[in-house]
Amino acid sequence: AQSVTQLDSHVSVSEGTPVLLRCNYSSSYSPSLFWYVQHPNKGLQLLLKYTSAATLVKGINGFEAEFKKSETSFHLTKPSAHMSDAAEYFCVVSPGGFKTIFGAGTRLFVKA
Amino acid sequence: EAGVAQSPRYKIIEKRQSVAFWCNPISGHATLYWYQQILGQGPKLLIQFQNNGVVDDSQLPKDRFSAERLKGVDSTLKIQPAKLEDSAVYLCASSIGTSGTNEQFFGPGTRLTVL
Repeated sequence: AQSVTQLDSHVSVSEGTPVLLRCNYSSSYSPSLFWYVQHPNKGLQLLLKYTSAATLVKGINGFEAEFKKSETSFHLTKPSAHMSDAAEYFCVVSPGGFKTIFGAGTRLFVKA
Repeated sequence: EAGVAQSPRYKIIEKRQSVAFWCNPISGHATLYWYQQILGQGPKLLIQFQNNGVVDDSQLPKDRFSAERLKGVDSTLKIQPAKLEDSAVYLCASSIGTSGTNEQFFGPGTRLTVL
């Protein structure tokens, strides 16, 4: 079965501290993996994607994610949180390039 | 470059009524997606078109939902009759290619409230 699990529904960090949003997936095929961000009252926007090239993927706004096949994980990180990072983040898997499965989302809160 | 357009932005109807949503994807994008996003959940794919053919509609409640993409460009999603549990944001997205490896570009969504 194909699925994606975001391990935290909410994450709260202080401005300037690291961000870690966790994502595990299940896929019978070589997956493509994505992180999308949804700011309040704005559309979903792609942060980064993995499609079987380099396992460490860099995205926009200083975010990056590492594909770890042995752990079936694709965690999203950022060294230093900014207030503008507060949003809902979605991990997405596309098994073998077919279908699109979204995780339930992780809401990131950034405290001043 | 214009983004994905959706209308209306908001719609309030009573249960058992019908409603239709419209989506105009980015010009030249072959693949069009409709998602349902219930409050507090991630988007759920309802239907995926490649040009004007259906690639995946496995999660579309076909007894009440229908969608079409005429001429491989814009698309409409219809609900008839609506139920309370259909209250959600309906998102349209498009991608340039036909593979799930392509970035999807999302519209602003239509927020449906069923009373």
